[in-house]
Amino acid sequence: QVQLVQSGAEVKKPGASVKVSCKASGYTFTSYDINWVRQATGQGLEWMGWMNPNSGNTGYAQKFQGRVTMTRNTSISTAYMELSSLRSEDTAVYYCAVGGNWFDPWGQGTLVTVSS
Amino acid sequence: SYVLTQPPSVSVAPGQTARITCGGNNIGSKSVHWYQQKPGQAPVLVVYDDSDRPSGIPERFSGSNSGNTATLTISRVEAGDEADYYCQVWDSSSDWVFGGGTKLTVL
Repeated sequence: QVQLVQSGAEVKKPGASVKVSCKASGYTFTSYDINWVRQATGQGLEWMGWMNPNSGNTGYAQKFQGRVTMTRNTSISTAYMELSSLRSEDTAVYYCAVGGNWFDPWGQGTLVTVSS
Repeated sequence: SYVLTQPPSVSVAPGQTARITCGGNNIGSKSVHWYQQKPGQAPVLVVYDDSDRPSGIPERFSGSNSGNTATLTISRVEAGDEADYYCQVWDSSSDWVFGGGTKLTVL
């Protein structure tokens, strides 16, 4: 079955960067977009951007332009999301999700905590 | 930017019907997707393209979309349906947009 497995929780200091991985299995990795969505504790879902694993093309939400980079390694069916210049407001669970028309399925989520 | 508006909470007794709305300007012209999220879990797609169900989602979950409001309807509500529900659309000016979420409480 289609499955996304994300990397483990991270604790970072303000100003640092974090890179979260998302390993896909059960389908052809290059066939569907990967999206990234984050959720602060007790808050709603916030879309961050998408990446086409075949071409490497990306599209980022305006809020994250200049701070987020989405990449992939097709040889190991893994997508990455790197967020730089971290601040406390970036503390959240980060999800990857498959799909260009709707998101299904989602990874299990990665908690990123930004704290001095 | 495009905004989707959901009621913060909806309450319903077991066996009754829950309706969760998602308001947006001319949302009827867009495809709406709905996700269910239980505490501590990742979201799960329950309805896509306004009214289609992924495999494995009970027929009790249905959707509609017209005018300025899309609706997720859950018939014969069960305790296990208690969760947060989010609507989603793609908009040319905002890319992917989520509603603020609705907490469904089963009384």
